[in-house]
Parts: sequence; structure tokens; C-alpha cells
Amino acid sequence: SQTIHQWPATLVQPVGSPLSLECTVEGTSNPNLYWYRQAAGRGLQLLFYSVGIGQISSEVPQNLSASRPQDRQFILSSKKLLLSDSGFYLCAWSLVGYGYTFGSGTRLTVV
Amino acid sequence: AQSVTQPDIHITVSEGASLELRCNYSYGATPYLFWYVQSPGQGLQLLLKYFSGDTLVQGIKGFEAEFKRSQSSFNLRKPSVHWSDAAEYFCAVGASNDMRFGAGTRLTVKP
Repeated sequence: SQTIHQWPATLVQPVGSPLSLECTVEGTSNPNLYWYRQAAGRGLQLLFYSVGIGQISSEVPQNLSASRPQDRQFILSSKKLLLSDSGFYLCAWSLVGYGYTFGSGTRLTVV
Repeated sequence: AQSVTQPDIHITVSEGASLELRCNYSYGATPYLFWYVQSPGQGLQLLLKYFSGDTLVQGIKGFEAEFKRSQSSFNLRKPSVHWSDAAEYFCAVGASNDMRFGAGTRLTVKP
């Protein structure tokens, strides 16, 4: 069966520090991968999606970047965090024609 | 452009009462429709999905939803709510790479 792993679960980082969140999927090949952010009390904002290795589409210009170094690995990064980067980050995967499966999320607090 | 509207930001129901969460969508073709549930601090879990066929779909945890093309709606229902159903519920429309989520409805269950 397919599983998705996302870590860390919580993270507290100072302003200006770098960020790296990792997401891996098991049990499937060539999935579409997504990074979402959920600010407190708000809905889901799509940040990035990827249809293949090295293929990244950005939905919202911001302080973040994404990379897909392997088929089932998706990384969200920042060189210098801002206070406004705080939020709940969700990774998800899908196959064409199916719904999304989400990871358990990372709570990021920038202080 | 496709979009999803969940008119109710917050709903409170008594335990044992029936529940209906509203979802309206705008989509250029026959939509794929989904309902997700999110417990606090957790990722999103798929409750049910509609791709085609029978317009009344059954999901996990006793939930069902009915697709009404004429009303562009996909409302979620449950005959008897349990305290453990308290969570945030998201309606979504679309397919891979083009999924749109509603802003969510927060459900509170009174004892």
C-alpha cells in the first residue's frame, strides 16, 4: 500500500534561518507531488507541485522553493525564513485521475 | 475557472443530531469531487469521492454525499453525529494538478 511520510512534525526556527522540510512517498511510482500551506484559521494554499523529477511548478511567488531530487521525494526549502512563513505545511501525492493523499503535516513557527 | 465555496465557516450541532455541510462548485467539465476531514494538528483524510455513476456516494465514518449537477452542489451528510466528528471539513473539486479546495467548515459537536 502507498504511504506518505512528512517530517519533522513540528519545527521552531528563528527569523533568517534556513528551512528544509522533507516528504517521501512509498508504494507508488511517478506520483504528482504537492506542497500546501495552511495559515491559522485559513484554508489550503497550494505552494508547489511536481509531475516528475526536477519538474517544479510554483503557484505563489514567495520566500520558499521546492525540489524533487528523486521520484518519490519532495523537499520544501527556504534560505532565510520570515515571520510570515509560519504555518502548517502539508505534503500530498496523487496519481492522475485520483484524489490527493496527504501527509500528517509540519507545524512551523518562525520566531 | 474552477472554484469551491463552502458557505458555512463554522457549524455547531448536538451529538446524535444530523449533519449537512454545504459545498458548491464551479467547474468547466464533469468534476471530480472530494470531501476531506482534518483533525487539529493533523493532515487531511479523504472521506469520500465522486467521479461518475451513482450520485449518492458513501464514505468512511458513516458519511455520505450527494452530487447534484443542477445545483452544482456536493453536500456532505451524516445521520447522527458523534463527538469524534468534531474537525475541519474541506470540499475539493478537480483532478491532479488542478485541485481546488474550499475554505473549510469547522464542526463543533455539543454534548
